[in-house]
Amino acid sequence: KAGVTQTPRYLIKTRGQQVTLSCSPISGHRSVSWYQQTPGQGLQFLFEYFSETQRNKGNFPGRFSGRQFSNSRSEMNVSTLELGDSALYLCASSLSRGWGEQYFGPGTRLTVT
Amino acid sequence: GIQVEQSPPDLILQEGANSTLRCNFSDSVNNLQWFHQNPWGQLINLFYIPSGTKQNGRLSATTVATERYSLLYISSSQTTDSGVYFCAVSTGNQFYFGTGTSLTVIP
Repeated sequence: KAGVTQTPRYLIKTRGQQVTLSCSPISGHRSVSWYQQTPGQGLQFLFEYFSETQRNKGNFPGRFSGRQFSNSRSEMNVSTLELGDSALYLCASSLSRGWGEQYFGPGTRLTVT
Repeated sequence: GIQVEQSPPDLILQEGANSTLRCNFSDSVNNLQWFHQNPWGQLINLFYIPSGTKQNGRLSATTVATERYSLLYISSSQTTDSGVYFCAVSTGNQFYFGTGTSLTVIP
């Protein structure tokens, strides 16, 4: 079974731009969660999607948004990028909602200049 | 929100040594998981362990939910065990990672 895939793996953007990251879950998994990892704040939960609906959201501004498609693939969007958005963005998939056993993708490393 | 603290923050071991990593959490949780993040950033699921004890090869974990802690045991450590170990817990609508334990195994 193929693992969780994320694209792109690396990204460089300029302040003020927007960015879209993609995550394809393990086949059969319907829950996708997104996380941000920075040296200062560690790993933080962004949001969880299940059956195309956002089920839970972490403490991030509205510039961070996402969606999930009928095939369970998910995208995350960050608008009006700030330098502090530079981070490793990780997605994870699980069979059921509510953070069952999670399997992580390799991450997208975003650098904002 | 819940506080999830791990100890020790850093650990250096000689290959072959054993170690115990601890995860304390400040409130009741629905589940608890342990992950290993390798030097390339990939998070690997080690255990899904809301309570009780599980073993997988040289690794085992125990969660005592009533006392709000979990332990990860690594026996006969190998250089490939190096990396950062995270515990993570979930409540009804939030997911929290611990502060992490950075493990270095030297040959």
